Amino acid sequence: SQQGEEDPQALSIQEGENATMNCSYKTSINNLQWYRQNSGRGLVHLILIRSNEREKHSGRLRVTLDTSKKSSSLLITASRAADTASYFCATTSPGGTALIFGKGTTLSVSS
Amino acid sequence: AAGVIQSPRHLIKEKRETATLKCYPIPRHDTVYWYQQGPGQDPQFLISFYEKMQSDKGSIPDRFSAQQFSDYHSELNMSSLELGDSALYFCASSPRVASYNEQFFGPGTRLTVL
Repeated sequence: SQQGEEDPQALSIQEGENATMNCSYKTSINNLQWYRQNSGRGLVHLILIRSNEREKHSGRLRVTLDTSKKSSSLLITASRAADTASYFCATTSPGGTALIFGKGTTLSVSS
Repeated sequence: AAGVIQSPRHLIKEKRETATLKCYPIPRHDTVYWYQQGPGQDPQFLISFYEKMQSDKGSIPDRFSAQQFSDYHSELNMSSLELGDSALYFCASSPRVASYNEQFFGPGTRLTVL
């Protein structure tokens, strides 16, 4: 990957538990976005956090960004079986428009 | 709400053949991006267009070319196909070229090269 690593690569939890995924990147960024992908299907935008923001919430999602450590985390609270999917972080660099994706975390939520 | 449309959804080709993938962006979106996702891989940026001009270029092979038309739809042309070109090809669109814009992805075209 051009971006870096996501941690963990795979995560299995029970319904109702919280899931935390981490993402690291290598270069300066303008913003960082998280996407969800159900098996072999399209990418769904979840949340965008700008480089001057430290935390953002959207429903059951909480994203943090630490630009000094070049890392971000995505927290999904009270997970559901429908949250089972792969989650990717993606960044854009200053002056750039292309999304640079991380390797993704595969989340499995069992009922 | 209207979404990004890609066609075809599935395509099977032989080695050395050509393929054309089409993308219809969300209405009033003038920027289109193409990404390639190999099996078990993260999506890789190929190329983007803004107002019919190429705006950014990523890891697009020389065998591939793309363009954006006056109605803002885009086509990705792939020639001399190789087995390694088998992948999901995503198109995304955004309202205008800007790195703070969310990109809206289409469902993808699954290309299989035999």
